Amino acid sequence: GAGVSQSPSNKVTEKGKDVELRCDPISGHTALYWYRQSLGQGLEFLIYFQGNSAPDKSGLPSDRFSAERTGGSVSTLTIQRTQQEDSAVYLCASSLEPRISDTQYFGPGTRLTVL
Amino acid sequence: KQEVTQIPAALSVPEGENLVLNCSFTDSAIYNLQWFRQDPGKGLTSLLLIQSSQREQTSGRLNASLDKSSGRSTLYIAASQPGDSATYLCAASSNTGKLIFGQGTTLQVKP
Repeated sequence: GAGVSQSPSNKVTEKGKDVELRCDPISGHTALYWYRQSLGQGLEFLIYFQGNSAPDKSGLPSDRFSAERTGGSVSTLTIQRTQQEDSAVYLCASSLEPRISDTQYFGPGTRLTVL
Repeated sequence: KQEVTQIPAALSVPEGENLVLNCSFTDSAIYNLQWFRQDPGKGLTSLLLIQSSQREQTSGRLNASLDKSSGRSTLYIAASQPGDSATYLCAASSNTGKLIFGQGTTLQVKP
């Protein structure tokens, strides 16, 4: 079946612009996660959505970062006023309801380059 | 704060060799421990997940063990093949599912 999909696959933007990254989780998965992978920091947790609960935003690096999940499915990660240090690969993952299956399935990522 | 460390950072072995990748974590109150594989330019593929109550999991030529008391996990790869060349990441999970990743071990298996 279809896996996690992300768009765009690559995004080049100028410093100061806003960007939106999209994630389509696997159908039926209630949990959705965003991570960031950069050369200096490795893979870092950003935000977690589970059903209708309030999201865990503890990993967001600044208030320029925000995310929403509409209808319990598609999620959008928004970065406002991008900076060069935001350049990274942004990965999305989804999983079934916790305590049923905890395996996280990752999308291919969006490579963001801020010039 | 949970910290995950992987040793070695890189490993090169001849085809057919058995090998062990190491992962250590500082907070033993984990929910589970997961091993992933990442190919260049690609996303992560889940290999094995060990619940906190388990000691090991096996899938084909892969075997992962977990020792919570010592804060360690190992990934054993038997009879390595060139197709096993990739970066292997371990991640410790809290009960919310949030994963804390190690920096990874980049494996090269030479034909």
